[in-house]
Amino acid sequence: DAGIIQSPKHEVTEMGQTVTLRCEPIFGHNFLFWYRDTFVQGLELLSYFRSRSIIDNAGMPTERFSAERPDGSFSTLKIQPAEQGDSAVYVCASRHGTRGEQYFGPGTRLTVT
Amino acid sequence: SQQGEEDPQALSIQEGENATMNCSYKTSINNLQWYRQNSGRGLVHLILIRSNEREKHSGRLRVTLDTSKKSSSLLITASRAADTASYFCATDAEDSNYQLIWGAGTKLIIKP
Repeated sequence: DAGIIQSPKHEVTEMGQTVTLRCEPIFGHNFLFWYRDTFVQGLELLSYFRSRSIIDNAGMPTERFSAERPDGSFSTLKIQPAEQGDSAVYVCASRHGTRGEQYFGPGTRLTVT
Repeated sequence: SQQGEEDPQALSIQEGENATMNCSYKTSINNLQWYRQNSGRGLVHLILIRSNEREKHSGRLRVTLDTSKKSSSLLITASRAADTASYFCATDAEDSNYQLIWGAGTKLIIKP
């Protein structure tokens, strides 16, 4: 049973560039969550999906952030344009059903210079 | 978002001793989940206990849930140096719209 796959593992980019992070959830998990871990404020929930529908994206810090899950499987988180303050680890999680265990991916470490 | 409180915030014990961490929460829940996070690594799911369960075991882990007191405890028996990590509880609250609500975590250090 494969775990959550996040790519890339590390991303270094310059201010003003577009960053796209990808998450492949555990097969069959219909809920998918995007978090940001700044290690200062802990885990912040950015956005989450049930199948292909966004349940809530109120946690997105600005309109520069957007998330999609077009066919209900993988998801992408886009930051456009990136700013230095966006540097953090972006973590994806998934869950099967409304009340099951929630599993977390290894994260993508984003550095914006 | 965080609803829970965990205590202690930090715990340092000798290898071989038992470690107990507590988690309190505020609202009615469907389940409570415990996670471990090693320094610089991702969250690892340890155990889920449902609101109608009182105790659950997994290897050296024992979790209890008291819904009347809105609290849970995680006991690690016969601790090992590899158990050094931060431990978090997260609740699936009835009114949370499928989000997990997190505790602040307990930093556990096992001294060899």
